[in-house]
Amino acid sequence: QLQLVQSGAEVKKPGASVKVSCKAYGYTFSTNGITWVRRAPGQGLEWMGWISPSNGNTKYAQKFQGRVIMTTDISTGTAYLELRRLTSDDTAVYYCARNAEVRGLNWYDTWGQGTLVTVSS
Amino acid sequence: QSVLTQPPSVSGAPGQRVTISCTGSSSNIGAGYDVHWYQQFPGTAPKVLVYRNSNRPSGVPDRFSGSKSGSSASLAITGLQAEDEADYYCHSYDSLRDSVVFGGGTKLTVL
Repeated sequence: QLQLVQSGAEVKKPGASVKVSCKAYGYTFSTNGITWVRRAPGQGLEWMGWISPSNGNTKYAQKFQGRVIMTTDISTGTAYLELRRLTSDDTAVYYCARNAEVRGLNWYDTWGQGTLVTVSS
Repeated sequence: QSVLTQPPSVSGAPGQRVTISCTGSSSNIGAGYDVHWYQQFPGTAPKVLVYRNSNRPSGVPDRFSGSKSGSSASLAITGLQAEDEADYYCHSYDSLRDSVVFGGGTKLTVL
């Protein structure tokens, strides 16, 4: 059964970094890209970027360039999102999602349950 | 301000039909890029309802349908049910920004 399982909630201080994991089940991890999306309180969905597990290629939203790192570990079928220099504006639920198609512009057919990241002093 | 514009809220009575619009421009929907739609209940992850403009994944009721014309797309929900009360998002790609974009989201209230 296709499933993405994310790590638990995090509380961080401003200026710190956070690393969220997303473990895949039920399919060959290397064949489909993983996208990260967040939703801040009272806001809509925001695309952060995506990574190809097969070759490590990434594409980040311009807003997060220089502050975000997406990686994967094919041996464990896990994707990671690291966000640095956190501010209160980064308080949000972070989701990983599987790109439904192997290549090209994509839609997301499976989502993780979400990880709440709270940034507070 | 989202690149794709959705109404903040729509409402309808049980059994009625509602539509949610997603208005873009010549650098996204109008350029021919596909539109996808997601449903999100409070405290849960989004779920795809329509992909590539008008296709429904297996398991999604045929009460949900998508269409696209020019620089806009729409999600129609017929036979409205109380369980349809959720947030709805459109999703596409913008070539000017070279970025995936989401609409701002629409909250559906079933009266």
